Amino acid sequence: GESVGLHLPTLSVQEGDNSIINCAYSNSASDYFIWYKQESGKGPQFIIDIRSNMDKRQGQRVTVLLNKTVKHLSLQIAATQPGDSAVYFCAETWGAQKLVFGQGTRLTINP
Amino acid sequence: DADVTQTPRNRITKTGKRIMLECSQTKGHDRMYWYRQDPGLGLRLIYYSFDVKDINKGEISDGYSVSRQAQAKFSLSLESAIPNQTALYFCATSDFRDRANEQYFGPGTRLTVT
Repeated sequence: GESVGLHLPTLSVQEGDNSIINCAYSNSASDYFIWYKQESGKGPQFIIDIRSNMDKRQGQRVTVLLNKTVKHLSLQIAATQPGDSAVYFCAETWGAQKLVFGQGTRLTINP
Repeated sequence: DADVTQTPRNRITKTGKRIMLECSQTKGHDRMYWYRQDPGLGLRLIYYSFDVKDINKGEISDGYSVSRQAQAKFSLSLESAIPNQTALYFCATSDFRDRANEQYFGPGTRLTVT
């Protein structure tokens, strides 16, 4: 069945370095991929999305890359800050029906 | 004020009790969702509703029921709570016009069943 998974459950980076969080998906019919950030004690918050006909999309300090050939999605965070500490989820959707979430990666920032 | 609110925020209940979790939204969205979050398992969809007269089961609906009382209100019930329903529960909303189906989440309800 369709699934969205993550390569690493945890990621530690030095403050100021760039972070890369990876995600694998299996549903070729997905038309949007979305990254969410969940801070401790809060619900997930939308970060950025990418349509399936795109390879790259940039936001403020974040970039999402989509490689449909290998069904891989990544979130790059530039100049990581303490406030970036959170769990990051990738999710996919098709036909605007519902989202399927991956397991999440916990990003920890070292001072 | 928060756009998506959930009550209660924390609840401890005993096995066999009936419990209701409530969700309200002021975003004017027609679509509402209930998710469950367990450590290491991400978010799993319990039920979703695309409008007041539409209710659909998600991937883990057994043991749960829902009611869409109004466009702005969507409640989740556990008819007879069991310990493995201990989890963090999130309500979310989305706009049917959004092809990316961006969802807006509430703050969550932490439920413990003893």
